[in-house]
Amino acid sequence: EPEVTQTPSHQVTQMGQEVILRCVPISNHLYFYWYRQILGQKVEFLVSFYNNEISEKSEIFDDQFSVERPDGSNFTLKIRSTKLEDSAMYFCASSEGTSGGYRGLDTQYFGPGTRLTVL
Amino acid sequence: AQRVTQPEKLLSVFKGAPVELKCNYSYSGSPELFWYVQYSRQRLQLLLRHISRESIKGFTADLNKGETSFHLKKPFAQEEDSAMYYCALSVRTSGSRLTFGEGTQLTVNP
Repeated sequence: EPEVTQTPSHQVTQMGQEVILRCVPISNHLYFYWYRQILGQKVEFLVSFYNNEISEKSEIFDDQFSVERPDGSNFTLKIRSTKLEDSAMYFCASSEGTSGGYRGLDTQYFGPGTRLTVL
Repeated sequence: AQRVTQPEKLLSVFKGAPVELKCNYSYSGSPELFWYVQYSRQRLQLLLRHISRESIKGFTADLNKGETSFHLKKPFAQEEDSAMYYCALSVRTSGSRLTFGEGTQLTVNP
């Protein structure tokens, strides 16, 4: 069964450095998402992406964050200048987009996550 | 803004006992409700969603709009049900984002 994959599984970086988290969504899926979970807290939505542009973003997704689909398979999340509070598990998800055009009905398939540690 | 609350962080039951994981939401319109599960060292995966009205692995959940609840139930818990359970909501006006609750760690003891 196809799965969403994420690399790396764990990333350690120094405060102020740029990081790129990578995701390979399921191949026939059209919608892509990033969520994060700070240790002990809720899973929080960051951004959704469709047709090569951001379709929705949360208040968390500020100018330090960007997303890109650089080729036909990868979907990346870049954090320009990491802060201590960016330490979290970052989950990528994808969905088919077949629920009559309303994506909220789609099942989102999650990757295993990348644990980002900012020192 | 929408919100999901799972009042129990931890829930422990014995095998064969009934289990109910509580979920309450706040949203004035008609939300879509989901239960996601995360087994140990595995990824988040959809367990069930209210629109499907189905039973998965013996679990059911009924949307109660009057009480704004979507509690997850299973009449006879199994050890393999031990996992983290997240209630989540999406709303038509905000597109596709999922709003998650805090999660409930279910432990089913032998």
